[in-house]
Amino acid sequence: QKEVEQDPGPLSVPEGAIVSLNCTYSNSAFQYFMWYRQYSRKGPELLMYTYSSGNKEDGRFTAQVDKSSKYISLFIRDSQPSDSATYLCAMSALGTGRRALTFGSGTRLQVQP
Amino acid sequence: GAVVSQHPSWVICKSGTSVKIECRSLDFQATTMFWYRQFPKQSLMLMATSNEGSKATYEQGVEKDKFLINHASLTLSTLTVTSAHPEDSSFYICSANPGTSGYEQYFGPGTRLTVT
Repeated sequence: QKEVEQDPGPLSVPEGAIVSLNCTYSNSAFQYFMWYRQYSRKGPELLMYTYSSGNKEDGRFTAQVDKSSKYISLFIRDSQPSDSATYLCAMSALGTGRRALTFGSGTRLQVQP
Repeated sequence: GAVVSQHPSWVICKSGTSVKIECRSLDFQATTMFWYRQFPKQSLMLMATSNEGSKATYEQGVEKDKFLINHASLTLSTLTVTSAHPEDSSFYICSANPGTSGYEQYFGPGTRLTVT
């Protein structure tokens, strides 16, 4: 079993839809949670960064962390064709000293105009 | 802020030669930098973690003598692929952590290596 599970998609939605992207994880030591967006043949771009449980909102993006369920989500409101990309969740444990991230496999999103 | 650059963005080399890839943090100092490899339609695979002024820590299965990493300053890390072979062809991406209290990483744009 992978430490971080993420549905690879592809997920296809019409423009303007609300998109929900999710990851589950098994390591209860994870405390830092990130969402990255990666366009084809480009490096990942940090979208959201949250610590421990709770919600965080930034423009059209909302990140949620439910540590009791080991479940994190990224919501995209009013989705645009320019949101079409692969979305990667990533997380890290406190106190490991490595500062390394564990990534999900990525969900490919296609927003249809 | 938090911009990371990589050079070159694309390189083609012949089998048996060596290739150096540079990773720079442009507007912050990075105590820790990471090197990843990514195959088409797959997620990132961590190759090694480098801390400024010390030897890199390689992930299991990554040959340290083949993938030489140098982190000579707080803004520059280099990855040298030695004696490259076609199976080394891949997308190599670096990232940098500002070294404050957070664990977020900022990624470079990646380098596409093709070995002929």
